[in-house]
This record gives sequence, structure tokens and C-alpha cells, in this order.
Amino acid sequence: AQSVSQHNHHVILSEAASLELGCNYSYGGTVNLFWYVQYPGQHLQLLLKYFSGDPLVKGIKGFEAEFIKSKFSFNLRKPSVQWSDTAEYFCAVNAPGRSGGYQKVTFGIGTKLQVIP
Amino acid sequence: GAGVSQSPRYKVTKRGQDVALRCDPISGHVSLYWYRQALGQGPEFLTYFNYEAQQDKSGLPNDRFSAERPEGSISTLTIQRTEQRDSAMYRCASSPLDSRDNEQFFGPGTRLTVL
Repeated sequence: AQSVSQHNHHVILSEAASLELGCNYSYGGTVNLFWYVQYPGQHLQLLLKYFSGDPLVKGIKGFEAEFIKSKFSFNLRKPSVQWSDTAEYFCAVNAPGRSGGYQKVTFGIGTKLQVIP
Repeated sequence: GAGVSQSPRYKVTKRGQDVALRCDPISGHVSLYWYRQALGQGPEFLTYFNYEAQQDKSGLPNDRFSAERPEGSISTLTIQRTEQRDSAMYRCASSPLDSRDNEQFFGPGTRLTVL
């Protein structure tokens, strides 16, 4: 079964600092990779996703993530964070399930990001 | 358009009672998913449906948990004889297609507290 590890559970940054959140997954086959975000008081929503092609994926609000297959990693980055980026970030992976589909998504534990003005 | 809705938003119940949690997916979405999220953890897969058919229930922790989606739209997650360890946020999500392009749209969740 696949699993997801997020290395930083709580990150505090000042505005304009650069961000990198680590994510590693364990599954040897083809996977789809996601970062979801939950802003305070809001629903979980998709930030970006990787299925195939260019391993550098760009998402909303200036976020990007790089898929490095050899390292089983999908780290999230942003060059300059804003106070409004304060949220909880979840890395997720889905891999073929019993029925052959890709519907069973495994989430990491989440990283709480606090950006100080 | 309207997003995924869940009700109730908060549920407090006593140990041993049954609870039913409702999910109303985005109209026309084929797939519907249930997750449980304990405090300090990520969402944990419970089960999912394509239309009315339950495709995978491997994440349901035991036979006190069941889910249905009888008409391929609204779904109900039922927990019988609740226990304190069932306290968690229960999240529902839907996606438009049963495919690899599996962006899931989440609802607000139901916070269940079992006393």
C-alpha cells in the first residue's frame, strides 16, 4: 500500500521568505501526486497536481512542486510567501486500486504553515 | 455553482448512539468519497462510490461503519453504536469522472464528537 510522509508538521515563516515543504511517497509504480490546501475556516481545495509530463508543476497563487521520481519526492515550493498563505498543506498520492482505478487517495499528515506579517 | 455540502456540520452524541452523516455532492459528479480525519492527522480514506455502486470500502474500520448512495447522488455514512474513538472530522468529496484525472472537491466536513 502507498504511504505519504510530510517532514515538517509546523512551519513558521516571515512574509517574503521562501517556502519548501517536503513530501515523500512510497509506491513503486505509476502515481498521481497532489497538494491540497486548507485555509482557516475553508474547505480542503486542490493547489496543484502531477499526472505526467513536465515534472515541474505550477499551481495557484504562485505555488509550484517538482516531481523527482528517483527520490520519490514531490516537494512544494513558493519563492516568497504572504500572510494569506497561512494554512494547512497536505500532500497526497493515488495509485491503482483493487478495481484498477486510481480513486483511493492517501494523504500525508499535513503541514501547518504560519506566515508572520 | 454549488459545491459539496455536508450535514450536520457538527454532531455531538453519546456513546452507543447511531449517527448518520449526509453528503450532497456537486451535481453530476460521478464519484463520491468519504474520509475520516482525526486531530493532527491527514484525511484517511474510508470508501467511495461510482454512481450508486460502492467500489471500494476497504477503509471502513469495522462493521459499525456503513455507507450508501442509493440514487447515485446524496450519500449517507452511518456509524452504529458510536464509540469515543469515532470522534473525528468526517469529510466527503466528489469528482466529475471516474478517471485518473482525479481532482476531488471537498465539502466542509462534519465534526463528530462522541461523549
